[in-house]
Formats: sequence, structure tokens, C-alpha cells
Amino acid sequence: DQQVKQNSPSLSVQEGRISILNCDYTNSMFDYFLWYKKYPAEGPTFLISISSIKDKNEDGRFTVFLNKSAKHLSLHIVPSQPGDSAVYFCAASVAVASQGNLIFGKGTKLSVKP
Amino acid sequence: ETGVTQSPTHLIKTRGQQVTLRCSSQSGHNTVSWYQQALGQGPQFIFQYYREEENGRGNFPPRFSGLQFPNYSSELNVNALELDDSALYLCASSPPDRGYGYTFGSGTRLTVV
Repeated sequence: DQQVKQNSPSLSVQEGRISILNCDYTNSMFDYFLWYKKYPAEGPTFLISISSIKDKNEDGRFTVFLNKSAKHLSLHIVPSQPGDSAVYFCAASVAVASQGNLIFGKGTKLSVKP
Repeated sequence: ETGVTQSPTHLIKTRGQQVTLRCSSQSGHNTVSWYQQALGQGPQFIFQYYREEENGRGNFPPRFSGLQFPNYSSELNVNALELDDSALYLCASSPPDRGYGYTFGSGTRLTVV
């Protein structure tokens, strides 16, 4: 039973446009959410996070939105660049109890076309 | 920062054998976690070590074990290898004040035949 779901295995976007990656979760105890980016032959790289007490967090071109009532979060990349092409993983945790246990989705492969 | 280094990068083992994977974390990173990433899946938490003690474990059998050393290196040991153990194994470390800002290594690709 997947607690974190990324229902789009892939997404293709034109350079300069907005990329929106979506993530749904089922465990209402999750209180901390993260996005990681992964290039081939490299480990995941931390991108941005959000606590459940917020509904938005922004860092440069990257913004994460959290809708707790819908158990949904999304990552917006504006403007998208070819170097953003990678697999993006959504992860969630129950911060106090987890002791390092991040629950990851299966990932969405983003392709940004020049 | 020197990053997180994992060795070897690739490994082929026979079913029933034992394997040791190694991870070298950055100085000061006293928390290390290990994840298993099967093909087409997201990383799955195996366990976490903090100051050389295991302090969290995912849904993996006891044949998955680990060690963390004072020099910020760590090991993942898997006994009685099964075909389903074939995966990318990722090590992630974090300093005390970085919360979930884990730094991941590039992983070890284990193939069990």
C-alpha cells in the first residue's frame, strides 16, 4: 500500500514554461514533505521541503504547495530549464517519530525541451 | 563539502552469498541512513544510525544489518542474498542541525544472480 503516490511517471515541458509535478499521500500523520531531484548515476539531491504548518514554500524557481485537506502537494518550477530534466521524488515523514524514515513516491521523470 | 562516497559502484553476487556495502560520510555527519531503490521504485528506508547506534528501522528482515564507525563511515551487510535484493543501495548522511537535509551518495548497484 503506497503512502506517497506520484501518479505521473513522466512529464514533458517546453523550456521557459512552468513544470508542475504532483504528489498525493494517504497518511494524515505526515507532517514534513520534501522534494528530491535525481540525475542518472547520481544520488538524489535535496531540492525543497515544507512543514505541514505551512501551505507554501519558495526557493528561487522552485515552489512547493501543500493542500492538507486534499493530502496533495505539488512542485512548481518556473521557468523550466533543460538542466531541470531529471527524476523528481516526493517524500514524506512523520518528523517526530520517523527517525530518518522518509517515505518516497516512485518518481516523475521531467523532460524539459529546448 | 566532500560529499558522501559509496563503494563499490557495482557488484554482482550469487544467491545465498553475503555482501558488505560501504559508505563514507562527511566529517560531522553523525546520522546515516540506508535506502534500497528497486527498479522503477522510489527509495525505501532500511535503517538509520546515529552515533553508532541503530535508532530506526524500516520493514526489512534481520539479514539486513549495519554498522557505523567513529570516523563517519558505515556499512550495510546483507546475508543470504535473494534475487529480490537486486537494487540500488543508497547511503544518506546529515549533520546534527540539518534536519532532513540528507546528502545522498551515488549508490551501489547490486545484482544478485
